[in-house]
Amino acid sequence: EIVLTQSPGTLSVSPGGRVTLYCRASQSIDYHLAWYLQKPGQAPRLLIYSASSRATGIPPRFSGSGSGTEFTLTISSLQSEDFGVYYCQRQNSFPLTFGGGTTVEVK
Amino acid sequence: VHLLESGGGLVQPGGSLRLSCVASGFTVSANAMGWVRQAPGKGLDWVSGLGSDDRTHYADSVNGRFTISRDNSKNILYLQMKDLRLDDTAVYFCAKDVWAWSFEAWGQGTLVTVSS
Repeated sequence: EIVLTQSPGTLSVSPGGRVTLYCRASQSIDYHLAWYLQKPGQAPRLLIYSASSRATGIPPRFSGSGSGTEFTLTISSLQSEDFGVYYCQRQNSFPLTFGGGTTVEVK
Repeated sequence: VHLLESGGGLVQPGGSLRLSCVASGFTVSANAMGWVRQAPGKGLDWVSGLGSDDRTHYADSVNGRFTISRDNSKNILYLQMKDLRLDDTAVYFCAKDVWAWSFEAWGQGTLVTVSS
């Protein structure tokens, strides 16, 4: 089973700041990686799929990159609605797996 | 697009439950669908998937105990769960695939509590 490791575990950021989150796969997953944001008490929301494609309605401040085993999610200017837990997810092959999450909190 | 789960509740270890996910705004049978769970205070955990080609997929932790299915006439996705264990306690979300098993639409979740 492919393991996804996210870093850092927690990130304290001021609104307007630039954020980079990391997701490392234990084996190559090509570009088959998605990113989600989950806010407390809510279902996850898809941000990015296939490593760099923005989901419907996701603003351009969110960008994804990477392939193989190393992936990043960058938020160019953090807004108040962007705080929460970010998860990466292996797509395309089974078992699907999620990373452990990165919490982005207000500094 | 809207997904609404139901069927969760309190069940004893070894018991069974069937979760339902009523879909609206799209056709379940024409899309890949999945179940993802989240134990209290924990991260996301993929459980099962059903492709538009009728192929089913399961996490090792539930294989042989859970069955995913759909009713095309009712546009409902199901998750039949048997031999439930304490560590199956979680909020269970159903979700709709957008591309290669990434999930663009989610329900609000239904809580399953396995406890004696």
